[in-house]
Amino acid sequence: SYELTQPQSVSVAPGKTATITCGGNKIGSKSVHWYKQRPGQAPVLVLYYNKDRPSGIPERFSGSNFGNTATLTISRVEAGDEADYYCQVWDSSSDHPRVVFGGGTKLTVL
Amino acid sequence: QVQLVESGGGLVKPGGSLRLSCAASGFSFSDFYMTWIRQAPGKGLEWLSYISSGGHTKHYADSVKGRLTISRDNAKNSLYLEINNLRVEDTAVYYCARGGTGSSDWFLFHWGQGILVTVSS
Repeated sequence: SYELTQPQSVSVAPGKTATITCGGNKIGSKSVHWYKQRPGQAPVLVLYYNKDRPSGIPERFSGSNFGNTATLTISRVEAGDEADYYCQVWDSSSDHPRVVFGGGTKLTVL
Repeated sequence: QVQLVESGGGLVKPGGSLRLSCAASGFSFSDFYMTWIRQAPGKGLEWLSYISSGGHTKHYADSVKGRLTISRDNAKNSLYLEINNLRVEDTAVYYCARGGTGSSDWFLFHWGQGILVTVSS
């Protein structure tokens, strides 16, 4: 089964750039979606199809996906960016296609 | 606007059963795949199941296959998840989310607020 690997935590100072990775076998051949989740709240989509931003998501959020690593980059980090971030792909490698989430990365704004 | 509202959660004894519901509004429910995802306390997101727009195709995560049944009633704009033989490790917040109109590669733009299921004796 397909697995996604994320770092457990990332820390960044306000105003700096945060980079959250999502590793998977040939993930560059898949579309990766990213979600932000604050404590006690439902996840919110922040990027879809690797780099597209839904309406309302700041341009500070960007993404890339090459080889075995997809990356969510948050520029000029703000206190409100502190949250858990999850990557997600669609795994159609078997007879039973399924949604796959990474384990999540806790972003701490110092 | 799109709204997804889960209900039916609560405290259940191990071995029991539960039926969660998700009431959808603000979009053409019958056009979209729907999915259930859960999150155990302090843990990450776990995809459980999805169902096609017409209800004919259903897939389940291996971890819960055999104990979960997903269904939908397009006339009532409602999605359901029946969980049987509940275990303590099923304790989680359960989310319904809207998929795409196609059969694959969709993202989850709309989520419900989640409903807590606690399995304890």
